[in-house]
Amino acid sequence: ETGVTQTPRHLVMGMTNKKSLKCEQHLGHNAMYWYKQSAKKPLELMFVYNFKEQTENNSVPSRFSPECPNSSHLFLHLHTLQPEDSALYLCASSQARGVFTEAFFGQGTRLTVV
Amino acid sequence: AQTVTQSQPEMSVQEAETVTLSCTYDTSESDYYLFWYKQPPSRQMILVIRQEAYKQQNATENRFSVNFQKAAKSFSLKISDSQLGDAAMYFCAYRSRNTGTASKLTFGTGTRLQVTL
Repeated sequence: ETGVTQTPRHLVMGMTNKKSLKCEQHLGHNAMYWYKQSAKKPLELMFVYNFKEQTENNSVPSRFSPECPNSSHLFLHLHTLQPEDSALYLCASSQARGVFTEAFFGQGTRLTVV
Repeated sequence: AQTVTQSQPEMSVQEAETVTLSCTYDTSESDYYLFWYKQPPSRQMILVIRQEAYKQQNATENRFSVNFQKAAKSFSLKISDSQLGDAAMYFCAYRSRNTGTASKLTFGTGTRLQVTL
C-alpha cells in the first residue's frame, strides 16, 4: 500500500482533449513533485511545490498546468498534448527540509496521446 | 549541472548469486546524497539505499550494499543472495545537499535486472 496515490493509472487522450492527473499523499509531507518518465531516458523533473507554492518549473510547455490546492493534493492539467508527451507521469512527495528528505513515489499514470 | 550515468541497460543474475550494478556521476559539489531506487513492474519507485557523500563508510541495507568511491565518482550497488523479487529497473540518483528543494533528484537511465532460476 503506497502513501502516494495517483489516478488514473492509465489514460488515453486525443490531442484536442483536456484531462487531469491527480496525486494524493497521506504521509504528512509538504513538498510534492511531478516527474516524467519516457522510455530510455532519465526521469525528468517537471514541477516542484513547497508548502503549496510552486518553486520550480523545469521549462515545461504550457500545455502542462500544475495545481496544488493543499499540501496533500497535486494535479497536472493537460490540454492540446502532442504524441511525444506520451509517457509515465510520476508524482512524488517528501518533507521540504531536513537531512533525509527522500522522495516517496506513486505508481504513476501511463499517458498515451493519440 | 549534475549528470548520472548507468552504462548497463540490462543485467542478469541467477537466484542466490550476487550482482553489481554500476553508476557514475559528475558533479562539482562536495556535499551531496546518492540513492538507488528500484522500480518493479508495478511502476512504483522504491528507495533501496542511500549514501551521504561526507561519510566514507559504505551504506548497507540487508542484502543491498554500495561501493562508494568519491574520488572516482562511482556508486555501485551490490545485491547479494539475489531473489526473484529483486527483478526490476534500478535507478541511480543524485541530490545536492545544499538545495532547499528536498527531492530535486537527478536520475540515470536505469538498469533492468533479470533474476533467473
